[in-house]
Amino acid sequence: EADIYQTPRYLVIGTGKKITLECSQTMGHDKMYWYQQDPGMELHLIHYSYGVNSTEKGDLSSESTVSRIRTEHFPLTLESARPSHTSQYLCASSGTGVSSGNTIYFGEGSWLTVV
Amino acid sequence: AQKVTQAQTEISVVEKEDVTLDCVYETRDTTYYLFWYKQPPSGELVFLIRRNSFDEQNEISGRYSWNFQKSTSSFNFTITASQVVDSAVYFCALSEARTGGFKTIFGAGTRLFVKA
Repeated sequence: EADIYQTPRYLVIGTGKKITLECSQTMGHDKMYWYQQDPGMELHLIHYSYGVNSTEKGDLSSESTVSRIRTEHFPLTLESARPSHTSQYLCASSGTGVSSGNTIYFGEGSWLTVV
Repeated sequence: AQKVTQAQTEISVVEKEDVTLDCVYETRDTTYYLFWYKQPPSGELVFLIRRNSFDEQNEISGRYSWNFQKSTSSFNFTITASQVVDSAVYFCALSEARTGGFKTIFGAGTRLFVKA
């Protein structure tokens, strides 16, 4: 079982607002990820982190930013939300080493609606 | 380059039917991992199984079974005696060992409807 938590689960906000999606994991994983997904559609990696103070952009360009000040915490911020940001955001993590097998564990997701 | 193809976009079955979800992958690496995830309507992705490239043993877990065949580059997933609770989108994924999890490739998903 994965121990990765996202808040809020559901958020409806107005255009132009700043939002932060929180993500925490208790597994001590070095690697963390943010994926963006429209319901039931393909997953798109938007950010990832190798560890503390490391962040990289993923395959899909995103206006969001992330930070990794603590191993367990990987928040995602949108400075000015727009309707095009409406989507589900999935936080995930994975361990290091052969035993981890590159297995990615996901949080429950944050559904963002920008009106 | 790596690629995962789930050719079945949607499958609809009646409860108690068996159903197989297909997954075909491409990779040039000899060491890699294959995964299946389940995404119910609530949205979370639930990890179901990981197989590594040098272990072709099929696996069974309750009503779920997986058939890994390197000769055909396939990693198919069968649900026996399907139930309504199996309705979800299922994703197959591939990760080359040398890249860590960052380059994990997910298929487009297969949406399974199980009708009562």
